[in-house]
Amino acid sequence: DAKTTQPPSMDCAEGRAANLPCNHSTISGNEYVYWYRQIHSQGPQYIIHGLKNNETNEMASLIITEDRKSSTLILPHATLRDTAVYYCIVRVGGEVTGGGNKLTFGTGTQLKVEL
Amino acid sequence: AAGVIQSPRHLIKEKRETATLKCYPIPRHDTVYWYQQGPGQDPQFLISFYEKMQSDKGSIPDRFSAQQFSDYHSELNMSSLELGDSALYFCASSPGGGNTIYFGEGSWLTVV
Repeated sequence: DAKTTQPPSMDCAEGRAANLPCNHSTISGNEYVYWYRQIHSQGPQYIIHGLKNNETNEMASLIITEDRKSSTLILPHATLRDTAVYYCIVRVGGEVTGGGNKLTFGTGTQLKVEL
Repeated sequence: AAGVIQSPRHLIKEKRETATLKCYPIPRHDTVYWYQQGPGQDPQFLISFYEKMQSDKGSIPDRFSAQQFSDYHSELNMSSLELGDSALYFCASSPGGGNTIYFGEGSWLTVV
């Protein structure tokens, strides 16, 4: 799986948008970009994923550059409960037969949302 | 919606004892993953199963073993426990190898 690079920490004011960047310059054509977050000592929570198009769900938006070498996770209106470590992970996805396409966690970005 | 269920949530064992963690995947998920997260560390992949067969192996110690049963639940067996095995152990599941993976809330193992 391709490696990703994320800033170790970011701060955001409550109510403002949090934009978390991720570089994945060696991503392969069949690898998706996944975002998870982990609130202290809880199980990692799936947020969103995408291949090459921008994606949006009830939690966040994912913007992937045209060359797919970087992406940005956007939390449109951050709240205190969004304080967590955010992991950007690239992984082979889609219609894959068999199993074992694990997620490989890097160090992630510690997002701190403050009043 | 049903999530991944792990038991027990907390476990305290002495050195050299044995521990077993159980994982019940989301219904109709055929792939199970185990992760270990030490204090201040990121989750590390241990092992995965697809359709009851081991599909991938990570940094799992030889003292650990795991299996997936016919009902797709999985068990992680840890023997000759060491202090360094104290960690949060996560199980995750997915419907097939390429689809989104969902995690349980974890099992805290403390070795004293």
